[in-house]
Amino acid sequence: EAEVAQSPRYKITEKSQAVAFWCDPISGHATLYWYRQILGQGPELLVQFQDESVVDDSQLPKDRFSAERLKGVDSTLKIQPAELGDSAMYLCASSFSDVNTEAFFGQGTRLTVV
Amino acid sequence: GDSVTQMEGPVTLSEEAFLTINCTYTATGYPSLFWYVQYPGEGLQLLLKATKADDKGSNKGFEATYRKETTSFHLEKGSVQVSDSAVYFCALSDQPAGTALIFGKGTTLSVSS
Repeated sequence: EAEVAQSPRYKITEKSQAVAFWCDPISGHATLYWYRQILGQGPELLVQFQDESVVDDSQLPKDRFSAERLKGVDSTLKIQPAELGDSAMYLCASSFSDVNTEAFFGQGTRLTVV
Repeated sequence: GDSVTQMEGPVTLSEEAFLTINCTYTATGYPSLFWYVQYPGEGLQLLLKATKADDKGSNKGFEATYRKETTSFHLEKGSVQVSDSAVYFCALSDQPAGTALIFGKGTTLSVSS
């Protein structure tokens, strides 16, 4: 069964260091989302791509976060420099860009900033 | 802006008990509604969805009905199992199509045998 792949599963980094997460969506899915989930909360959108274009990055802290999807397939989310408050689960999801179709989520990357 | 409100947990039940998790929403458009489930250390899995008023989504014994008049999408199951223990998230996706999901804060369900 096709699934969204994310790596790494776990990441521990020191504050002020750079960290990057990778996501490979389900083949053929044009829409890709990065969400951040703080422990005990629901996921919140960071950025949405349609193919290689950013559709919504209004909640992305652009002073330290960046995201790219250069060829419209896999995507990288980067944080530089990491802060203690960035500790969270980072979830990638993908979907067809059809009407009201479901988003498929990866297993996430658990980031701990020390 | 759009938002989703879920009942706070944790919800603790005995096996075979009836489950209800309340969810209400606020949306400017005509959203689709979803329930996702998250098992410990895992990503989210779609449990069920409904795209228009009075639609009933169902899966694995869980059901939810899209109630536009009460802006609600409550999750129910007639007889829960220990394996249903997880965190349940209500979510909406507003128009236009492809708009990112907005999630509630999640409700933790713990079922004991």
